[in-house]
Amino acid sequence: GEDVEQSLFLSVREGDSSVINCTYTDSSSTYLYWYKQEPGAGLQLLTYIFSNMDMKQDQRLTVLLNKKDKHLSLRIADTQTGDSAIYFCAESAYGSSNTGKLIFGQGTTLQVKP
Amino acid sequence: GAVVSQHPSRVICKSGTSVKIECRSLDFQATTMFWYRQFPKQSLMLMATSNEGSKATYEQGVEKDKFLINHASLTLSTLTVTSAHPEDSSFYICSAQTSGGATQYFGPGTRLTVL
Repeated sequence: GEDVEQSLFLSVREGDSSVINCTYTDSSSTYLYWYKQEPGAGLQLLTYIFSNMDMKQDQRLTVLLNKKDKHLSLRIADTQTGDSAIYFCAESAYGSSNTGKLIFGQGTTLQVKP
Repeated sequence: GAVVSQHPSRVICKSGTSVKIECRSLDFQATTMFWYRQFPKQSLMLMATSNEGSKATYEQGVEKDKFLINHASLTLSTLTVTSAHPEDSSFYICSAQTSGGATQYFGPGTRLTVL
């Protein structure tokens, strides 16, 4: 079945770059997403990438997709203390059911030290 | 744009009572809404998918008679936890998606505590 894996924890210093990695198994994935969750809150969509793209940049965020290795990464440049949160990678496959169902990774807790 | 609200944000109830949680898309029409459950320090678990005007599709292991979902309009879906028990205590999050849309927009979540 579909599976999405993430490392559980990342600690960086303020001002450094953060790289959060994700691997997935479903080769039919159409879209891959990064969501941010702050304590006690819902999920905030950060960015997403279509499976025929290799890279997408949006301000401080850069998403890289290696479709051959089924590897997705999120790079946050100039990481700030406000970036401390849990980051979820998710995939969706628009197959014959076309439900857009999301499969989430376990989430990576990003800790930013001043 | 693409704002989803949930109400209530927090609810505490006694065991055996039923609790209704509302999910609303405020500035767009959501043909599909999803309900998730999240345990502390864990990922989101999809409970069910609801399409406006039709019955919800439940994930394996989710009791449809316990978690009643209604999606009566393009901007509102409700989740009713019937005869709640302490093990139903969790963080419930909804998301909404437009027809043909690639993105799910999430609500802020509802913290349910059953005593």
